[in-house]
Amino acid sequence: QVQLVESGGGLVKPGGSLRLSCAGSGFTFSDYYMNWIRQAPGKGLEWVSFISTNANRIQYADSVKGRFTMSRDNAESSAYLQMNSLRVEDTAVYYCARDDGYYLEYWGQGILVTVSS
Amino acid sequence: QSALTQPASVSGSPGQSITISCTGTSSDVGGYNYVSWHQQHPGRAPKLIIYVVYNRPPGVSNRFSGSKSGNTASLTISGLRTEDEADYYCSSYTSSNTWVFGGGTKLTVL
Repeated sequence: QVQLVESGGGLVKPGGSLRLSCAGSGFTFSDYYMNWIRQAPGKGLEWVSFISTNANRIQYADSVKGRFTMSRDNAESSAYLQMNSLRVEDTAVYYCARDDGYYLEYWGQGILVTVSS
Repeated sequence: QSALTQPASVSGSPGQSITISCTGTSSDVGGYNYVSWHQQHPGRAPKLIIYVVYNRPPGVSNRFSGSKSGNTASLTISGLRTEDEADYYCSSYTSSNTWVFGGGTKLTVL
C-alpha cells in the first residue's frame, strides 16, 4: 500500500534551518510529482511547493520563495524540503503528498516544525 | 495566491443535506477542472473525497458529491452522519502553476 512518511521536524530558533524528508513506499516514486503542504496550529491548509518527476519543474508559494528549496532523490524514493531563514510564522505541521494527476490523494501523517526563540 | 473563499462553518442535522461553497477566480477554480475536496478530522491528515470537480476515490461514500459553476465549486453531503463532522477544504490548480486551498469549513452535525 502507498505510504508517505515525513521526518526531520522539531524546534528551531528564528533564522535557523531545518531539512524535512518524505520517504515513499508501495509505489514507483519516480513516476509522481510530489508536494509539500503545511498547516499552522488551528489554521487551514497552505500549499508550499511541488517538484516534478525528474526535478526539472519546481514551484513555491510566495510565502516561502527564496527561503525553501524542494528536491528529490528517486533512487532513495524520497523528497526533501530544505527550510532556511525560518520565521515564527513557518510554525506548522508539514505534510508531503503525492500528486496523482492534479489531485493529492495520498498524504503522510505530517511532521511538526516549531520556530521559536 | 489568495486563498479560495469558503464559509467558516456550516451545520446540519443527521439525515439532512448540506452544501459547502468554494469561490475562486478565473485563474483557478473557473479556469480549470482541477478542483478537489479534502476532509480532515482533528489530529489527522487530510483525506481526499472529491477530485477533478466531481470524481470520488474508491471507498468514498456516494453521499459526497461535487460540482462547479463558473468560479464557484461546491461540495454536497447528503444523509448527514455524525462521522461527517470534520473540517473540509477545497483546492484548485492555478494559472501560476501552483495550488491554492480554501480557508476551510467546519461542519457540525447537530
